Amino acid sequence: KNEVEQSPQNLTAQEGEFITINCSYSVGISALHWLQQHPGGGIVSLFMLSSGKKKHGRLIATINIQEKHSSLHITASHPRDSAVYICAGFSYDKVIFGPGTSLSVIP
Amino acid sequence: IAGITQAPTSQILAAGRRMTLRCTQDMRHNAMYWYRQDLGLGLRLIHYSNTAGTTGKGEVPDGYSVSRANTDDFPLTLASAVPSQTSVYFCASRPGPYNSPLHFGNGTRLTVT
Repeated sequence: KNEVEQSPQNLTAQEGEFITINCSYSVGISALHWLQQHPGGGIVSLFMLSSGKKKHGRLIATINIQEKHSSLHITASHPRDSAVYICAGFSYDKVIFGPGTSLSVIP
Repeated sequence: IAGITQAPTSQILAAGRRMTLRCTQDMRHNAMYWYRQDLGLGLRLIHYSNTAGTTGKGEVPDGYSVSRANTDDFPLTLASAVPSQTSVYFCASRPGPYNSPLHFGNGTRLTVT
């Protein structure tokens, strides 16, 4: 069992749909990092959070430390949101990556 | 523009050859990391350095070596490349441990034939 898991593994959505990607972890962490990777591209940091909720544009990230769960929401999805979304748990100097969720948004 | 620069962008390498992947950052970050990314396996840590002059082994260190002579540079060397080292390699950095976000380079796509 991976220490950081994501669901779904793959997701296809119609443009405009509300999207949720889930991340659960089985180890103690102090913060969670959401990353975005476009096809053939580099990896970009979206959010880092240790409690509550953060919002940036159409992206919202939430975390529940007690339940060891985080979600990334995309409102009014657009084809340019198509990417792999990766969550990573931070524990002092150790970073544990989830396997990623591949999102495809169809026009 | 502040960030991480990796070179080369891509490389085809014959098995048995030696290769150094370069990574330079200008953000004065203490911690630097090398990851490889393979389909179905996600990002795996090869080596890391928490500060200049120190390095450590990650999850998949065999066949790779690193050095950290100064804060900015963190080269990754494959002493004798093998086909299983075909992968996309990412260098990353962050200011220090605890809750500081990772910054990634654009990656190096390496094919060992």
